Amino acid sequence: AQKITQTQPGMFVQEKEAVTLDCTYDTSDPSYGLFWYKQPSSGEMIFLIYQGSYDQQNATEGRYSLNFQKARKSANLVISASQLGDSAMYFCALEGQGGKLIFGQGTELSVKP
Amino acid sequence: DTGVSQDPRHKITKRGQNVTFRCDPISEHNRLYWYRQTLGQGPEFLTYFQNEAQLEKSRLLSDRFSAERPKGSFSTLEIQRTEQGDSAMYLCASSPDGLVGLFFGEGSRLTVL
Repeated sequence: AQKITQTQPGMFVQEKEAVTLDCTYDTSDPSYGLFWYKQPSSGEMIFLIYQGSYDQQNATEGRYSLNFQKARKSANLVISASQLGDSAMYFCALEGQGGKLIFGQGTELSVKP
Repeated sequence: DTGVSQDPRHKITKRGQNVTFRCDPISEHNRLYWYRQTLGQGPEFLTYFQNEAQLEKSRLLSDRFSAERPKGSFSTLEIQRTEQGDSAMYLCASSPDGLVGLFFGEGSRLTVL
């Protein structure tokens, strides 16, 4: 079975500091994709970053980077230089059959001024 | 606006009533997904369509739930005889073939009194 685990219900970070949000996954598929989405209070799911299981390098998108450790089955999101607008729920997701995404329970990030 | 559109954004209904949500995907996205998200949880997969064909249904989709995509464009999700446990955000997402990741709408929030 495919599963995503996010063990941090809530995280605090000081503005301009970096923060790491944890994500571990379980899948028996030899090829898979991992995603991070941001969900602000408005409710829309905003795509942040994608990592393919065979990608040679860790993905980066601006201030977002993905620390992918395949042997440990972890795909942690690193946000550098946190901004107040980064306060939101963050979800890790694993690509399943048919392109559907399997989401973790999320981490609520609060950025302090 | 060319994103995924959902209607209505908010719906309050009494227990036992039927409700219907509509989703208009991004033009030419042939895959369409429905998710349910309860407070404090990650989105849970309900069902998905490839064009007009419903290819997968989650066990979460009880007999009171039905989804259609009659012409392979917009989709509807109907809940019959609503229960208080149906109160949730219903998210729609779309994706074109060959592209990983989903594009989400802003969701339809259902409150059952």
